Amino acid sequence: DAGVIQSPRHEVTEMGQEVTLRCKPISGHDYLFWYRQTMMRGLELLIYFNNNVPIDDSGMPEDRFSAKMPNASFSTLKIQPSEPRDSAVYFCASSSPSTSGGTEAFFGQGTRLTVV
Amino acid sequence: GQQVMQIPQYQHVQEGEDFTTYCNSSTTLSNIQWYKQRPGGHPVFLIQLVKSGEVKKQKRLTFQFGEAKKNSSLHITATQTTDVGTYFCAGRPFTGTASKLTFGTGTRLQVTL
Repeated sequence: DAGVIQSPRHEVTEMGQEVTLRCKPISGHDYLFWYRQTMMRGLELLIYFNNNVPIDDSGMPEDRFSAKMPNASFSTLKIQPSEPRDSAVYFCASSSPSTSGGTEAFFGQGTRLTVV
Repeated sequence: GQQVMQIPQYQHVQEGEDFTTYCNSSTTLSNIQWYKQRPGGHPVFLIQLVKSGEVKKQKRLTFQFGEAKKNSSLHITATQTTDVGTYFCAGRPFTGTASKLTFGTGTRLQVTL
């Protein structure tokens, strides 16, 4: 397996534009997580899915952010409209369940978003 | 909501010195994981601790889970330049959404010769 695949790796956009980040989890993994990483706030959990269903979106900063998982092999995180303060590295991660409440999370390479 | 804090935020050591990072959760955890992120990279899983008081070792790394399952530590013996990176703990809550993985604030380790 190629691991968790994110695209694009880098995105530079102008304020007000729509941004869509994409993620392909590892095949067979039931959980998918979206994280945002900044120097100020560290690694923040934005939302996570189980079997394509959003379980907890309490970390989504505001209505400008939305995430979908239309099937087990694809998820998107959309920001509309984007703002400079959204600049960060966005990570997608996936994991499979276990009797101990969850196994390790495998992270993608991340998407570095810059909003100018 | 659940908060996971780590101290120190940053540590600079000479190669060969020991290093310890501490992780504290505001709530009781079901289990705790540790990750390492190299500069410019993504977090990579190191280990998972499940039992109260559990201690695990990986070569020069020793991981410990507190008796109350609210804190944890990572100790590196005789650091090497390859240990450079940011170390994160990540906890799953004991109740509620059991698979919600919340990361700590991280400790950045710099090792120089």
